[in-house]
Amino acid sequence: NAGVTQTPKFRVLKTGQSMTLLCAQDMNHEYMYWYRQDPGMGLRLIHYSVGEGTTAKGEVPDGYNVSRLKKQNFLLGLESAAPSQTSVYFCASSRTSGGIRQYFGPGTRLTVT
Amino acid sequence: SQELEQSPQSLIVQEGKNLTINCTSSKTLYGLYWYKQKYGEGLIFLMMLQKGGEEKSHEKITAKLDEKKQQSSLHITASQPSHAGIYLCGAGSYGGSQGNLIFGKGTKLSVKP
Repeated sequence: NAGVTQTPKFRVLKTGQSMTLLCAQDMNHEYMYWYRQDPGMGLRLIHYSVGEGTTAKGEVPDGYNVSRLKKQNFLLGLESAAPSQTSVYFCASSRTSGGIRQYFGPGTRLTVT
Repeated sequence: SQELEQSPQSLIVQEGKNLTINCTSSKTLYGLYWYKQKYGEGLIFLMMLQKGGEEKSHEKITAKLDEKKQQSSLHITASQPSHAGIYLCGAGSYGGSQGNLIFGKGTKLSVKP
């Protein structure tokens, strides 16, 4: 099992450009999450999904959109990138909620100039 | 909203020394998770604690959850350079059913050979 994978690993964007980050998991997990990690801020939840076709906002959703068309994939989109979105993005998945471990991907380092 | 505070923010120890990292919650913890992160990499799951007074160990790392379930400590015995990294505590969102975690800001551990 590959676990949770993220594509790409690194990306540099110019302000105003758009891009999509892909997260894939092969563990048949229902729940998937997108977090961002910034220095001194810890990990913060952007959006999450409790199942195929569902998405919900997390703590810091502005400027991002997500889609979960297939159970194994969770896409994070930036329509018009801003320098404030420079961060490391982590995807995670879990079988269910409540006392269940989350499995994390290796992260995507995004720089917006 | 629930917050997790970690202390210390950073720690430098000599190889072979013991150390403790603390994680304090503003509300009762419903599942406390410890993860380790090496620079530029994803999060590696260490342990999960759920019951008041629970203690778990893995190799030279021991984690405890206090009886009131508002504080957890991570103790490393005889530290080694391989223990270096960022330690993050995470907790199930208070009263939430969506399974997402909130995280402390992390403790950066450096181990001097």
